[in-house]
Amino acid sequence: AQKITQTQPGMFVQEKEAVTLDCTYDTSDQSYGLFWYKQPSSGEMIFLIYQGSYDEQNATEGRYSLNFQKARKSANLVISASQLGDSAMYFCAMREHPSSILTGGGNKLTFGTGTQLKVEL
Amino acid sequence: EAQVTQNPRYLITVTGKKLTVTCSQNMNHEYMSWYRQDPGLGLRQIYYSMNVEVTDKGDVPEGYKVSRKEKRNFPLILESPSPNQTSLYFCASSFNMLHSEAFFGQGTRLTVV
Repeated sequence: AQKITQTQPGMFVQEKEAVTLDCTYDTSDQSYGLFWYKQPSSGEMIFLIYQGSYDEQNATEGRYSLNFQKARKSANLVISASQLGDSAMYFCAMREHPSSILTGGGNKLTFGTGTQLKVEL
Repeated sequence: EAQVTQNPRYLITVTGKKLTVTCSQNMNHEYMSWYRQDPGLGLRQIYYSMNVEVTDKGDVPEGYKVSRKEKRNFPLILESPSPNQTSLYFCASSFNMLHSEAFFGQGTRLTVV
């Protein structure tokens, strides 16, 4: 089973509008971390935002916020006031608790397949 | 400046010719890993290392080797590259903690003909 599922291969949004990129995850651990990364066309991976499984409040970083719904195992990224420079591939990722070291895997960061976001004028 | 440095950025090689992609980080991170990125598949982990002389297989280790003789360096070795290893490769490092973000190198675009 997929650990991280991103069901939107591509998304379009108008400039200045908000957009939500979906991410669901699968884990039996109680302690885990969720990350979002941005990959512009130049190829580098840029860290955007982090949410811990025990964090009670949704994480926010500037125009980025994470809509964390633990019971539904979803960690959607919300980008407010989209800009042309937001056009990129976005990856959701999960890091599970190091106790998984006992069964192998280490402090592994597992990625979804990504969502390509295009911001239009 | 904190960074992960990969070299080369681009590489075209022929089937069977051994190659090494270097990776170095200057943040004293314990954890380092290699990923490959393919269209529609996201990033998949090839190998990882939790510290010096400690390495283990990720999800797609076949055809690759790694070593971790020093904390800062984690080279990826393709002993006999094949065309199905044509991909975009990323090295990443982080502290060995749950909330630690991973820092990525700029990527190596490898083509095996």
